[in-house]
Amino acid sequence: GNSVTQMEGPVTLSEEAFLTINCTYTATGYPSLFWYVQYPGEGLQLLLKATKADDKGSNKGFEATYRKETTSFHLEKGSVQVSDSAVYFCALIENSGYSTLTFGKGTMLLVSP
Amino acid sequence: EPEVTQTPSHQVTQMGQEVILRCVPISNHLYFYWYRQILGQKVEFLVSFYNNEISEKSEIFDDQFSVERPDGSNFTLKIRSTKLEDSAMYFCASTILASGSETQYFGPGTRLLVL
Repeated sequence: GNSVTQMEGPVTLSEEAFLTINCTYTATGYPSLFWYVQYPGEGLQLLLKATKADDKGSNKGFEATYRKETTSFHLEKGSVQVSDSAVYFCALIENSGYSTLTFGKGTMLLVSP
Repeated sequence: EPEVTQTPSHQVTQMGQEVILRCVPISNHLYFYWYRQILGQKVEFLVSFYNNEISEKSEIFDDQFSVERPDGSNFTLKIRSTKLEDSAMYFCASTILASGSETQYFGPGTRLLVL
């Protein structure tokens, strides 16, 4: 079956530091890949996505590249802000007619001033 | 910007009681979902719903669970006889199309605590 593995949190960084949150996946087909973010007290919001190999998703300074050869979709940001503190979820959907998201456990990011 | 809403935000219930969690999906969306997240664990798919019937469901979605779209706007999840292990955050989501590239839009969740 499908699965998503994320690095354990919390990740604690100072403002303006570089961020990487690792995500690897297992899928039987060719999935679309997503990063969702959950700010405190809010729901899951789509941060970025990539639907095929070598695509790069980007939004709000965050980037992730769909790497089929390493089955990875690592999230990066060059300079984090305090307002980026949240829980980040990596997820996939199989492109085979099924529409259910498979999520990782989530990684909490804490950014201090 | 349109958003998915859920009520209540928190619910505390006694084991064995019935609970109904409510969701209002985005108005022009056609596919609706429930997911849950037990504290410290992954977000897990429960059920998807399209054209007034269940299109997919997970092993978690047993006979204790049911979903309904009672009118043109609400989408509900009912748990008939709650168990302690049903304590979790329940998320509703909706999307226009059920394809891999379409974004699912999530509500803020209902935190259910079963005592």
